[in-house]
Amino acid sequence: GAGVSQSPSNKVTEKGKDVELRCDPISGHTALYWYRQSLGQGLEFLIYFQGNSAPDKSGLPSDRFSAERTGGSVSTLTIQRTQQEDSAVYLCASSPGGRVETQYFGPGTRLLVL
Amino acid sequence: GENVEQHPSTLSVQEGDSAVIKCTYSDSASNYFPWYKQELGKRPQLIIDIRSNVGEKKDQRIAVTLNKTAKHFSLHITETQPEDSAVYFCAASTGDYKLSFGAGTTVTVRA
Repeated sequence: GAGVSQSPSNKVTEKGKDVELRCDPISGHTALYWYRQSLGQGLEFLIYFQGNSAPDKSGLPSDRFSAERTGGSVSTLTIQRTQQEDSAVYLCASSPGGRVETQYFGPGTRLLVL
Repeated sequence: GENVEQHPSTLSVQEGDSAVIKCTYSDSASNYFPWYKQELGKRPQLIIDIRSNVGEKKDQRIAVTLNKTAKHFSLHITETQPEDSAVYFCAASTGDYKLSFGAGTTVTVRA
């Protein structure tokens, strides 16, 4: 079946602009995660959605970052007033939910803030 | 929260030799330990995982061992091949939903 998809694959923006990154999880997966991967670094947890529960936003680095998940499926990560340090690959992952921990990753969106 | 440390950060091995990557974790309640492989420009993919009720798990040329007392787990790749060149990430979870990742190990297999 189809895996996790993300769009756009690449995004170049100017400092101060807002950007929206999209994630389509695997159909039927109730859990969705966003991570940030800076060059040569590990995976930094940003936010987690599970079904209709309140999301865990504990990893969001500042109030410029927000995310929503509509209808329990597609998710959008929004970065307002982008800064150069926001440049990174943003990865989305989904899992079946509950206590099943295996996460399936999307290809990522490479964001470059000039 | 959980802190996962991974060593080494880079590893170069001759084709056919073995590679070992080690991770330590801080939360004794962690009970799930997956390993992800990320090839250049591609998404991370799960290659093997182990749960705390098991000490060792093998899948062809890869194996993972877990020492709960010492709070460390390791990935072993035997008979390395060029296609094993990638970045490998370990992770730990207390069984809720959040994975804490190590910083990654870049493995290069020399032909």
